[in-house]
Amino acid sequence: EAQVTQNPRYLITVTGKKLTVTCSQNMNHEYMSWYRQDPGLGLRQIYYSMNVEVTDKGDVPEGYKVSRKEKRNFPLILESPSPNQTSLYFCASSLSRGGSTDTQYFGPGTRLTVL
Amino acid sequence: GIQVEQSPPDLILQEGANSTLRCNFSDSVNNLQWFHQNPWGQLINLFYIPSGTKQNGRLSATTVATERYSLLYISSSQTTDSGVYFCAVEWLPYKLSFGAGTTVTVRA
Repeated sequence: EAQVTQNPRYLITVTGKKLTVTCSQNMNHEYMSWYRQDPGLGLRQIYYSMNVEVTDKGDVPEGYKVSRKEKRNFPLILESPSPNQTSLYFCASSLSRGGSTDTQYFGPGTRLTVL
Repeated sequence: GIQVEQSPPDLILQEGANSTLRCNFSDSVNNLQWFHQNPWGQLINLFYIPSGTKQNGRLSATTVATERYSLLYISSSQTTDSGVYFCAVEWLPYKLSFGAGTTVTVRA
């Protein structure tokens, strides 16, 4: 089954404790991206990757890191989480179509609470 | 960056009714997509529609890129159509911006 998986689905942590949210896709997509969803704001792009070893900042990259060492995986790293990073996080992937994205497929989401 | 505005913010429908959701954007875009977020939080792509009109069952969408808007039509609404509808635009290569969404509630 074609899918995007995220782990963990729920996480409660404390300020400053490093954490990683994993994202994996099995569709051989070149493009992957992370978003955060906050009430009233829609989804905002954190980082994206056009292919292995190629990443770039989205609209709200502060406090986050990413890496793309394999095509299927795109982990999101919070090195020192703060309460303002409490949010619902989504990973997405798509084919890359001539220098832009194609239909986006989303993971199930990770609800993160930072105390 | 680009501004993406969706209207109305909230919509309450009686089952069987038709509705139109609108997405306006402030600059030219590479493509536009519509998504549905169901009450369990899952995001599903409805349409990839940089221009023109597409239909999928009771849903259809039209994008007029030259006038910077897109419309999503829901016909004969059902309770399963409830949720939040988002439009997203790719305004620079690989950079996507989402609207704040339209929350649709369909009552039986």
